Amino acid sequence: DAGVIQSPRHEVTEMGQEVTLRCKPISGHDYLFWYRQTMMRGLELLIYFNNNVPIDDSGMPEDRFSAKMPNASFSTLKIQPSEPRDSAVYFCASSYTYNSPLHFGNGTRLTVT
Amino acid sequence: GDSVTQMEGPVTLSEEAFLTINCTYTATGYPSLFWYVQYPGEGLQLLLKATKADDKGSNKGFEATYRKETTSFHLEKGSVQVSDSAVYFCALLSGNTPLVFGKGTRLSVIA
Repeated sequence: DAGVIQSPRHEVTEMGQEVTLRCKPISGHDYLFWYRQTMMRGLELLIYFNNNVPIDDSGMPEDRFSAKMPNASFSTLKIQPSEPRDSAVYFCASSYTYNSPLHFGNGTRLTVT
Repeated sequence: GDSVTQMEGPVTLSEEAFLTINCTYTATGYPSLFWYVQYPGEGLQLLLKATKADDKGSNKGFEATYRKETTSFHLEKGSVQVSDSAVYFCALLSGNTPLVFGKGTRLSVIA
């Protein structure tokens, strides 16, 4: 099992540019979660999906953020336009059921200059 | 709402020292409790869990006991190694809400 795969590992972009982060969950996992980690705020849940359907996006900071899951094996988190305060490590995680342990990817470190 | 409070770090210990990282929680109902560990440059991974009161979770020499009377789930290890240096997160799962994480405690073990 390859685990949760995220790409890219690092992204450096200029303010105002569009950023797309990608995630491939573990096959057979019905839940997918997007988190953001910063020193100031710790780990924040942005949005999660069940069977490709967004269930709770109350953690998405603002309209500049959007997430999609077009199929069971792929999800994207998009920021448009990006701002320096979006700089963080973004994690994708998946789980088999709602109360199964989460499996995290290695994250995407985003730097917006 | 549900929340987890864990001791602030960083915690610095010498190799073979005893480790305790405190974690307390607030939750309605009967949550399941977890410890996750994050090694440098990696995502979080499950270390151990306990699903009901008085359960003890254990893995890799780490232990934590679910104490309902004190609403606590403290992480302990009798003899830490340099390879245990990481960030440790306490978390709870209750009802229909997603996993709630504490802010994390950074542990540094020096030889």
